[in-house]
Amino acid sequence: GAVVSQHPSRVICKSGTSVKIECRSLDFQATTMFWYRQFPKQSLMLMATSNEGSKATYEQGVEKDKFLINHASLTLSTLTVTSAHPEDSSFYICSAPERGRSTEAFFGQGTRLTVV
Amino acid sequence: QKEVEQNSGPLSVPEGAIASLNCTYSDRGSQSFFWYRQYSGKSPELIMFIYSNGDKEDGRFTAQLNKASQYVSLLIRDSQPSDSATYLCAVNIFGNEKLTFGTGTRLTIIP
Repeated sequence: GAVVSQHPSRVICKSGTSVKIECRSLDFQATTMFWYRQFPKQSLMLMATSNEGSKATYEQGVEKDKFLINHASLTLSTLTVTSAHPEDSSFYICSAPERGRSTEAFFGQGTRLTVV
Repeated sequence: QKEVEQNSGPLSVPEGAIASLNCTYSDRGSQSFFWYRQYSGKSPELIMFIYSNGDKEDGRFTAQLNKASQYVSLLIRDSQPSDSATYLCAVNIFGNEKLTFGTGTRLTIIP
């Protein structure tokens, strides 16, 4: 099946710093990518939809100035958590449906962010 | 009412038995239905998807969809300890690639 690669898999950063997470579709083009956050023992919560060549669409309650999304090409989307705080510690996961195919989405490996 | 509802569990099933996982959804415009398995600390992996009413079988897994009742289920036959995980139901509306997830059901297979 299609592969979505997410990097890094784990990151620890100091409070107040910024962290960038990359999501790549390795063998297909993705005009749309989705960014989720998952707190322990909870489900995936959609944060934003990343659109290639245009602005991301954020879900209600998600601060767009804090979670910067850039979808620079058909295979790469990045999420930058700016001025991270301990409450931003979570599991961040990206997914991408293959362009022109069904809505079956492929997930990246996830990034465990810990802000200390 | 939540858009996609699942019993959070935990659901305990003896090894070799059938595990039955249920999911209901509120939007009648929903067109595609997905079951994902998520191991602790890992990202979800797709098990099955179903679009049409009825049953769809893939190995030990059977997805069942009843659009009139807005209900989708996943049956796991001959349950194995490796099936122990959280199972997420996800739904999307025709023309929209966005998936809405349920809270997941934690399944434990008892050896």
